[in-house]
Amino acid sequence: EVHLVESGGSLVQPGGSLRLSCAASGFTFSRYWMSWVRQAPGKGLQWVANIKQDGSERYYVDSVKGRFTVSRDNTQNSLYLQMNSLRAEDTAVYYCARIEEGSGYYRDFWGQGTLVTVSS
Amino acid sequence: DMQMTQSPSFVSASVGDRVTITCRASQDISRWLAWFQQKPGKAPKLLIYAASSLQSGVPSRFSGSGSGTDFSLTISSLQPEDSATYYCQQANSSPPGLSFGGGTKVEIK
Repeated sequence: EVHLVESGGSLVQPGGSLRLSCAASGFTFSRYWMSWVRQAPGKGLQWVANIKQDGSERYYVDSVKGRFTVSRDNTQNSLYLQMNSLRAEDTAVYYCARIEEGSGYYRDFWGQGTLVTVSS
Repeated sequence: DMQMTQSPSFVSASVGDRVTITCRASQDISRWLAWFQQKPGKAPKLLIYAASSLQSGVPSRFSGSGSGTDFSLTISSLQPEDSATYYCQQANSSPPGLSFGGGTKVEIK
């Protein structure tokens, strides 16, 4: 059974940094693109970052470029999101999700999310 | 960037009603579209991929259709447990950005 478990969310001051982790199990992690998606309170879903199987390609939504870095460790079956220069508008629940390829690219399994609150 | 526009943003319907939600892509995405259901406090759940393929375990009252730029999600007979917000996601980009529509909240009258 596929499991994705995020951790690392907390309250952080504006300008601060935070590193989120996502532990994957139940599938061959190294075979999948992975993704971070966030949801601000009362708002819709926004993709944040996607990373290829071997980490050779990484893509970010414009609002986080230069501040966030997605990475992965295929030996540890883990996905990470390093978030720097955090802003109030980064406050959200952050989900990691597996990207299935084949009939297009779609996020077929999601973690339960971890809450990041940026506030002084 | 690809834009996904959903309508309506809110729908209120009775148990047993047929409900249809639409999603429009700003560019032709063939059949590369997915639909998700999200209940409050929970992660999104994949319902439909490749515009019309039902994800395993999803009730058959859910169906998807469309191609090109116009797509729809239909709930044939609305059930109380279908109260949720529904999102479309374009699945065509290479490399993948995979943006979402703005969401449609479905309420049971």
